[in-house]
Amino acid sequence: LAKTTQPISMDSYEGQEVNITCSHNNIATNDYITWYQQFPSQGPRFIIQGYKTKVTNEVASLFIPADRKSSTLSLPRVSLSDTAVYYCLVGYNNAGNMLTFGGGTRLMVKP
Amino acid sequence: NAGVTQTPKFQVLKTGQSMTLQCAQDMNHNSMYWYRQDPGMGLRLIYYSASEGTTDKGEVPNGYNVSRLNKREFSLRLESAAPSQTSVYFCASSDGGDAGNTIYFGEGSWLTVV
Repeated sequence: LAKTTQPISMDSYEGQEVNITCSHNNIATNDYITWYQQFPSQGPRFIIQGYKTKVTNEVASLFIPADRKSSTLSLPRVSLSDTAVYYCLVGYNNAGNMLTFGGGTRLMVKP
Repeated sequence: NAGVTQTPKFQVLKTGQSMTLQCAQDMNHNSMYWYRQDPGMGLRLIYYSASEGTTDKGEVPNGYNVSRLNKREFSLRLESAAPSQTSVYFCASSDGGDAGNTIYFGEGSWLTVV
């Protein structure tokens, strides 16, 4: 299972774009890259998932370079409500694979 | 849409007591997981079940047992609770296969062992 490395914490201000990078040097061919958001006292929730290149949804964008050894979650124009912990998860959930999380990035959005 | 449901939400145990955390999902998912999260820390996998009838150890299985009762239900048992098991416990499920690794979490169970 690919080990992930993320910054422990980041600060930003309302209205700014935030980019959080995750390193996963030993990503396997079948592995997907998925990002989760966790608010205090809640379970993590899915934000976005990708395999290669760029993926965009109504919440975020995910950039994956050709070598797939890293990925960047981009949150456009953050608000105070985006203050949370963001986890990068790399793996493939077929039968028999366990999915483990790294330490996550604590994002603090300031007014 | 209930998703993943955990019970109880809160529990206080005395050292040495036993208890079972219940989890059920209504999404017909094959895989289910139990994670623990200590204050200010990340998620650590305790046990997982890739499919009905199978269970496997995760990163921190010591002190816990699990049962995959059927496809819907996956319970976590503490046989003799210790203060070090004070944590928030999250149950989760995923459908596996070609769905990558999208995991759906329950709301958590807050356990305090005194």
